[in-house]
Amino acid sequence: AQSVTQPDIHITVSEGASLELRCNYSYGATPYLFWYVQSPGQGLQLLLKYFSGDTLVQGIKGFEAEFKRSQSSFNLRKPSVHWSDAAEYFCAVGARGNDMRFGAGTRLTVKP
Amino acid sequence: ETGVTQTPRHLVMGMTNKKSLKCEQHLGHNAMYWYKQSAKKPLELMFVYNFKEQTENNSVPSRFSPECPNSSHLFLHLHTLQPEDSALYLCASSQDGTGANYGYTFGSGTRLTVV
Repeated sequence: AQSVTQPDIHITVSEGASLELRCNYSYGATPYLFWYVQSPGQGLQLLLKYFSGDTLVQGIKGFEAEFKRSQSSFNLRKPSVHWSDAAEYFCAVGARGNDMRFGAGTRLTVKP
Repeated sequence: ETGVTQTPRHLVMGMTNKKSLKCEQHLGHNAMYWYKQSAKKPLELMFVYNFKEQTENNSVPSRFSPECPNSSHLFLHLHTLQPEDSALYLCASSQDGTGANYGYTFGSGTRLTVV
């Protein structure tokens, strides 16, 4: 079965700094990979997804993620963080015929 | 109205009460899900409905009873809950029954407090 690990529980960055959130997955075949964001008291919103093809995928709100098969990783990046990016970020992995598995989440704090 | 709508947004109930959570999706999706999100714990999948048929019950206690009358509506009936059931309950939908192919669309959740 597939699984996801987000090594960082909490990350703090300054506004305007770059951001990278880590995600490692475990799955035997090529997975479907997702990043979701959750603002306080809200549901999860899909930021981006990877199915196949170009390993660098662009998402909403200026986020991108890179699939690296050799490292079983799908890290989320943003070149310049805004205060409104403060939220919880979830990586998820899916497989054809199975439901998604979510990581435990990484909470992002943005310092002014 | 578009997306996934959950009502109510907040619910406080006693342990002997009976209440229901409602979820409605306007996306034409065929699968719907209930998730439980507790503080400092990963998302827990509770139930999956695909074309109105329950395809997964993830060892959820019987005090939680789902109902899916059609592909657009999903309910979670609650009775005799415990304080540890206090959590954010999220509804999601997906285009197909596996969910993995296209991702999920989530509602804003119902914040449940059991007193």
